[in-house]
Amino acid sequence: QQKVQQSPESLIVPEGGMASLNCTSSDRNVDYFWWYRQHSGKSPKMLMSIFSNGEKEEGRFTVHLNKASLHTSLHIRDSQPSDSALYLCAASDSNNRIFFGDGTQLVVKP
Amino acid sequence: EAAVTQSPRNKVTVTGGNVTLSCRQTNSHNYMYWYRQDTGHGLRLIHYSYGAGNLQIGDVPDGYKATRTTQEDFFLLLELASPSQTSLYFCASSGLSQNTLYFGAGTRLSVL
Repeated sequence: QQKVQQSPESLIVPEGGMASLNCTSSDRNVDYFWWYRQHSGKSPKMLMSIFSNGEKEEGRFTVHLNKASLHTSLHIRDSQPSDSALYLCAASDSNNRIFFGDGTQLVVKP
Repeated sequence: EAAVTQSPRNKVTVTGGNVTLSCRQTNSHNYMYWYRQDTGHGLRLIHYSYGAGNLQIGDVPDGYKATRTTQEDFFLLLELASPSQTSLYFCASSGLSQNTLYFGAGTRLSVL
């Protein structure tokens, strides 16, 4: 069973719109979350991390975390065509194993 | 930014073949990871290590061995390759526990 589940599988938003991506872990040993972005043909790169309950904002990107429900979400406002990519949620457990979900494929249409 | 180098970038082998994928990081990171990524999917953890001589089991270890020979070098071994191991393999490193992963460019492996 996959330890990290992401939704939706794919998402199309218009340029300038808001994209909202979700991630939940089924493993109660998970305690840290990251969001990575992978452009087509490239390797993943860390976008944002969140370790405490609440919200964190960096530019157009906002991430939320609810540790009780092991749910995190990523919101991209004013989406740009260059934001089109596979967004991967990652979580780590106390043994430093880092697990990834299957990702959300985001397409931003001009 | 952390440098992680994988080799080869592409590899084709036959069923039953012996393959070694190499990964080197030059940032004195403690943790190194091997993942595989199949089309349309995320990354699945094969093995990881927190230092030379150490090996930890990931989620999908069957058919794979790994060895961390030095702080810098982490190898993934497929001793009897099967078509189900055709995939894109990523190596990653991180400096401390619960820290950002830095990925190599990937190795695309085809097992015919």
